[in-house]
Amino acid sequence: NAGVMQNPRHLVRRRGQEARLRCSPMKGHSHVYWYRQLPEEGLKFMVYLQKENIIDESGMPKERFSAEFPKEGPSILRIQQVVRGDSAAYFCASSKTGSPSTDTQYFGPGTRLTVL
Amino acid sequence: RKEVEQDPGPFNVPEGATVAFNCTYSNSASQSFFWYRQDCRKEPKLLMSVYSSGNEDGRFTAQLNRASQYISLLIRDSKLSDSATYLCVVWGGGFQKLVFGTGTRLLVSP
Repeated sequence: NAGVMQNPRHLVRRRGQEARLRCSPMKGHSHVYWYRQLPEEGLKFMVYLQKENIIDESGMPKERFSAEFPKEGPSILRIQQVVRGDSAAYFCASSKTGSPSTDTQYFGPGTRLTVL
Repeated sequence: RKEVEQDPGPFNVPEGATVAFNCTYSNSASQSFFWYRQDCRKEPKLLMSVYSSGNEDGRFTAQLNRASQYISLLIRDSKLSDSATYLCVVWGGGFQKLVFGTGTRLLVSP
């Protein structure tokens, strides 16, 4: 049973370009979460999605960032017009039921975004 | 005030030592509590959930004090492979998301 898959593992973009990060949840999981980890900082929640729906995007910057989780295919985190401050590790997690009290969030290996 | 606070360390201990980490959280309505482990440049992995009655998993013991909003992790008989960053994580209290502390770094030396 494959774990959470993320690609690419490393992504280099120049300022102003777009970054697309993909996440395929574990088989049977329909809840996806995106977190960002800046250098020397803790993970910060960005967005929580369930198939085709955004449940909570309270951690997403208001501009340039968007996320989707279509009926078919992986979840996508999209960052438009990247800036140097977007350089970070972006982790995706998935769970079966969406309730951490009874369920575990499993993390993917992350995408390391570097903005030049 | 941060939602979850941890001493960043590093804690440098010899193999075989016992080491304890503490964590405090600010939201009294938080419902679930966890310790995750993160190795350098890797993803976080669940180490154990933390229950009010305290729980043990091999060499690891976790405790929760709801009145003081305090969580602890005790590692006995430290191994070299325990070297990692330990993340205190809280969920609930009106926020349907995991809130992570910045982590406590542990270095176990021979």
